[in-house]
Amino acid sequence: KAGVTQTPRYLIKTRGQQVTLSCSPISGHRSVSWYQQTPGQGLQFLFEYFSETQRNKGNFPGRFSGRQFSNSRSEMNVSTLELGDSALYLCASSGDRMNTEAFFGQGTRLTVV
Amino acid sequence: AQSVTQLGSHVSVSEGALVLLRCNYSSSVPPYLFWYVQYPNQGLQLLLKYTTGATLVKGINGFEAEFKKSETSFHLTKPSAHMSDAAEYFCAVSDHGGNKLVFGAGTILRVKS
Repeated sequence: KAGVTQTPRYLIKTRGQQVTLSCSPISGHRSVSWYQQTPGQGLQFLFEYFSETQRNKGNFPGRFSGRQFSNSRSEMNVSTLELGDSALYLCASSGDRMNTEAFFGQGTRLTVV
Repeated sequence: AQSVTQLGSHVSVSEGALVLLRCNYSSSVPPYLFWYVQYPNQGLQLLLKYTTGATLVKGINGFEAEFKKSETSFHLTKPSAHMSDAAEYFCAVSDHGGNKLVFGAGTILRVKS
């Protein structure tokens, strides 16, 4: 079955703009999590959505937001972009069981100039 | 709060030699532990996971890890390194069964011919 699909793969934005990233999870998975990966901070959890509800949230400012649709696809939005938002944004999908693993997409490389 | 410490940001081994990547965790509840591998400009791929039961866990590509509660460790090993093992490896802990992961800083494995 198809894996986790993230679009676009690469994105260049100007400081102050906003951006929306998309993630389609594995079919049947209702949990979608987002992570930010940077050389300085490593992999950091942004938030998790399950059945269209935000279930967990990391320690990021309110400029970072997300949502999940009824088909489990998720979007992540970053407003008022800063240079420090340049990162690889990874999406992961998980099944409903508590001991299941997260399957990651290939990520969206965001560069803010 | 949960945390993960990976000892050694870079590890270099010769092809055919033992691979040992170290991971120590901190968790107030019985942890779920994971090892992921990341190749350049790619997402994360699960190598293996520990949830409950047998403390020696076997994963893909010949990797295995042993959960040692008394040492709060989950070190990753492979008896014989292959050139294709060169990548970055991440240890992660979760108390939600994979839906919210806390990652270590990562260890870059270099394999010399």
